[in-house]
Amino acid sequence: AQTVTQSQPEMSVQEAETVTLSCTYDTSESDYYLFWYKQPPSRQMILVIRQEAYKQQNATENRFSVNFQKAAKSFSLKISDSQLGDAAMYFCAYRSLSGYALNFGKGTSLLVTP
Amino acid sequence: DSGVTQTPKHLITATGQRVTLRCSPRSGDLSVYWYQQSLDQGLQFLIQYYNGEERAKGNILERFSAQQFPDLHSELNLSSLELGDSALYFCASSVDPGSFTDTQYFGPGTRLTVL
Repeated sequence: AQTVTQSQPEMSVQEAETVTLSCTYDTSESDYYLFWYKQPPSRQMILVIRQEAYKQQNATENRFSVNFQKAAKSFSLKISDSQLGDAAMYFCAYRSLSGYALNFGKGTSLLVTP
Repeated sequence: DSGVTQTPKHLITATGQRVTLRCSPRSGDLSVYWYQQSLDQGLQFLIQYYNGEERAKGNILERFSAQQFPDLHSELNLSSLELGDSALYFCASSVDPGSFTDTQYFGPGTRLTVL
């Protein structure tokens, strides 16, 4: 089974600054999907961004972008111009091309300070 | 709002009891997934249904079962409950699990507390 590792249990960033959350994964597959989900205090799981492994170009969604390093099996999330509403748990997730389940990391708790 | 609904929001019950969690997928989504989020195990995939048929199974206990009905809503049945079953149970839905652009959208979850 694929393993997803988020090595930073907690991170802190000041409002308007940039923060990068790390994620590494272990797989023998060549094609797969990667996701970042956000879980605010409301506990709702919200999709932030997705990346297909066969695409070299890093995905971007407004202030959120990823740095996908396929050879290094690394998938980090960069949040620019951080806002108070970005405070949440962030989960990195892996999905096989042939599978259906999302395989989640343990999460990183992001604190945004004024 | 993802469009996925789950009921009830909270459930408190005793050990040994049986409960049913309900999920309605987004309009047009044929696939439903169940996940369990607990402090010690994190977020774990339990089971997936597609148009009424079971498609994939994860770390689902034998005491747990699920089904998807013709109207596409799904129910997760948990029986002989133990203290360790206390968790947040999420339902997610997606349109077409086999497609490149398929994305799972999550419901608000059901918080189960077993006393």
